[in-house]
Amino acid sequence: NAGVMQNPRHLVRRRGQEARLRCSPMKGHSHVYWYRQLPEEGLKFMVYLQKENIIDESGMPKERFSAEFPKEGPSILRIQQVVRGDSAAYFCASSPNPGHLGYTFGSGTRLTVV
Amino acid sequence: QKEVEQNSGPLSVPEGAIASLNCTYSDRGSQSFFWYRQYSGKSPELIMSIYSNGDKEDGRFTAQLNKASQYVSLLIRDSQPSDSATYLCAATLQGAQKLVFGQGTRLTINP
Repeated sequence: NAGVMQNPRHLVRRRGQEARLRCSPMKGHSHVYWYRQLPEEGLKFMVYLQKENIIDESGMPKERFSAEFPKEGPSILRIQQVVRGDSAAYFCASSPNPGHLGYTFGSGTRLTVV
Repeated sequence: QKEVEQNSGPLSVPEGAIASLNCTYSDRGSQSFFWYRQYSGKSPELIMSIYSNGDKEDGRFTAQLNKASQYVSLLIRDSQPSDSATYLCAATLQGAQKLVFGQGTRLTINP
């Protein structure tokens, strides 16, 4: 039973490029959460999605960031026109229902903007 | 005031001793609390959850919750060098389906 799968593990982008981070939830899970961890800091909530719906995006920066979780395929976190301050580890977690919050994280994507 | 606060450490404990990690939270409506362990360069790993006042034990780990004081703690007995990691405290917010994390406490177990 595969866990939460994230890819790529490492991503290097030049300033101004786009970054696409993918998250495949555990089998049977339809709720996905994205978190960001800046160097030497804790995890910050970004967005909570169900299939085809954004439920809570209160942690998403207002510009350049978007997320989706289509009916088929992985959840995507998209960062347009990346800047150096976007360099961080991005973690995804999934759960089978909204009340199940002791969730398991994927291995993360470490984004480096050069 | 931060929603979840932890002493960032570092906390240094000799091998075999008890490590005590503390966390406070601001939302009185928080119902669920979690401790995650994160090794350097790795993803957080859930090690304990607690929902009711009192103690919850799992092997060498004991989580303690005091809702009146808005305080959560994690005790690690018989500390091992492999317990050296950053420990993240997390809580739910009332009415929100998400976890809020503290900044983490870096724990070092000295052989």
